[in-house]
Order: sequence, then structure tokens, then C-alpha cells
Amino acid sequence: QKEVEQNSGPLSVPEGAIASLNCTYSDRGSQSFFWYRQYSGKSPELIMFIYSNGDKEDGRFTAQLNKASQYVSLLIRDSQPSDSATYLCAGVNSGYSTLTFGKGTMLLVSP
Amino acid sequence: KAGVTQTPRYLIKTRGQQVTLSCSPISGHRSVSWYQQTPGQGLQFLFEYFSETQRNKGNFPGRFSGRQFSNSRSEMNVSTLELGDSALYLCASSQPPSPGQPQETQYFGPGTRLLVL
Repeated sequence: QKEVEQNSGPLSVPEGAIASLNCTYSDRGSQSFFWYRQYSGKSPELIMFIYSNGDKEDGRFTAQLNKASQYVSLLIRDSQPSDSATYLCAGVNSGYSTLTFGKGTMLLVSP
Repeated sequence: KAGVTQTPRYLIKTRGQQVTLSCSPISGHRSVSWYQQTPGQGLQFLFEYFSETQRNKGNFPGRFSGRQFSNSRSEMNVSTLELGDSALYLCASSQPPSPGQPQETQYFGPGTRLLVL
């Protein structure tokens, strides 16, 4: 059973702080990962894609992948109240085009 | 480009009925995936269609079925509805790999919220 694990939260951070969201996965064959953001009552929207070990930066977002530790993270710098949402980590299943999603971490950014 | 569209957006059914949900992918996207999202289970993969063929299938009972048409539009059907089928049903269309993005990328529609009474 391929699993992607996330702490459900909520993770509470003050405005302007760095939010760190983490994800572990069981499928050692998974090579690539996506981060999606989902606002309450809305559908997931794509934030980042990462497939190489190390960091990938896009604006205020940095995704980190450590394949040896089977660990993926998302850092949000200068967090804003509008970042308050549930963040979903998804791993690409090895040998397939499908994704396995974690249950998501709720982030609350207080003004 | 227009995004993924799903119809209807909301649906109320009673146990035992059946339901059909529709998804129109982003223009040029040939793969469509369906997911069920519930508070307890999160996003769970139902099935994926590519060029009118089911390419992958999740662990759902046979009451859940789908199909894809030649224009890439997809439908999913749930027969003999149960209370536990109440969920947000999400469709995602996949952008093919490209230089710098060696993996299909899924973009989600707004979802259909199904309530079974």
C-alpha cells in the first residue's frame, strides 16, 4: 500500500513567518512530487512540482526533496493570511501516471 | 485556456439511486483522472482515462464506473448510491510532460459535491 503521510495540523504561524510543511512517503520508487493548495470549499490548485533531490524555489515557495529519507517539504516564506489553506502533498506512483495524496496539512496564518 | 469544468456542481440523491457526473478537460489534455474526497479519507483515486481507455483504476467497488469520449470529455457513474458515497468528486486533466516538467501535471476542476440522503 503506497502511502503519503502528512501531519493534519493545524499549523499556526504569525504573518511574515516561515511556514514549514512536511510529508513522508512509503513508495521508494516514487521519483516526483507535487504540492497542491486547497482552500476550504474549493478544489486543489497546483503550487509546485519537484523531482530532483534538493531545493526548488518559486517565489515565496521552496520545495525540498530528500529521496534517501523519503521526505518532501514545502517552505512558505513571508506567510500571509491568504496562505491559510490545506496543503496537499502528492507522490507520483512508480511505473504509473497516477498520484497518491496525503490527507493534507491545514495552515493557519494569523495577522 | 479555459480550465477543467465539471457538471453539475451540486447534487442531492437518495440511497439506491444512480448518478452521472461530467468532466470537460482543458483543451489539448487527453488524460482525465477522477478522485473522491471526504473529510476522513482525503483524496482517493478512482480511475484514469486516456484516449478513451481506462489506464488506471483505484480500489473502489464496481458501482463506480467511468468512460471517456473521443473529445476527451469524461463521465463517471455511481450506481446504487450509499450514504458513504457523499463526497466531493474531483476531476483532473493532465498536461503532458514537457522540457523541464518530465511528469504529467494534473489540474483540477471545481468538483461536484454529492450528498446522498
